Amino acid sequence: GESVGLHLPTLSVQEGDNSIINCAYSNSASDYFIWYKQESGKGPQFIIDIRSNMDKRQGQRVTVLLNKTVKHLSLQIAATQPGDSAVYFCAETGGATNKLIFGTGTLLAVQP
Amino acid sequence: GAGVSQTPSNKVTEKGKYVELRCDPISGHTALYWYRQSLGQGPEFLIYFQGTGAADDSGLPNDRFFAVRPEGSVSTLKIQRTERGDSAVYLCASKIGPEQTRANVLTFGAGSRLTVL
Repeated sequence: GESVGLHLPTLSVQEGDNSIINCAYSNSASDYFIWYKQESGKGPQFIIDIRSNMDKRQGQRVTVLLNKTVKHLSLQIAATQPGDSAVYFCAETGGATNKLIFGTGTLLAVQP
Repeated sequence: GAGVSQTPSNKVTEKGKYVELRCDPISGHTALYWYRQSLGQGPEFLIYFQGTGAADDSGLPNDRFFAVRPEGSVSTLKIQRTERGDSAVYLCASKIGPEQTRANVLTFGAGSRLTVL
């Protein structure tokens, strides 16, 4: 399948370590944020979301942190596994639009 | 269907030709989006349908690109006079309605990879 990993920032971690992927968003009017995971040859897959009235949300092995002051979003993955290897995108929406705007993505490479 | 289906999965065409890409959204989803993804980049918004109408087509790059959704279900993205720069993966996504909620997030298809020679 096509690799979307070329030219992307890359985070390389050892299996079992925690991963932190960062994202800066652009629109201060955005009030809803989503992290997507994209494996080679597939479409993006929903991981976790957060609204602007929260600063932290936890899922299974994943946590999203939102800092509205500096327009920064992060995704934390606990006990990273080889199956977590993929490109991760943050996406934002809100205000008067229904458009979901994606960031540039980070390639997570998990070393066994 | 169980997921968003896109056809063809791969399309190779020559510069100047006309191309149609099809999207079958999840049954019952009224909102449908098209995105374009170039190698190494995030998906870029093209157009959003709510029902049969294009609620936002601000992402279409020029008048060679057009999309329809005549019955509020299947959508077709049409590209006229293709150029080499149109080469990308075209992603379709759908959701239940216009709301932005955890129960109503965009579900993506696998995409149609277009290569213009």
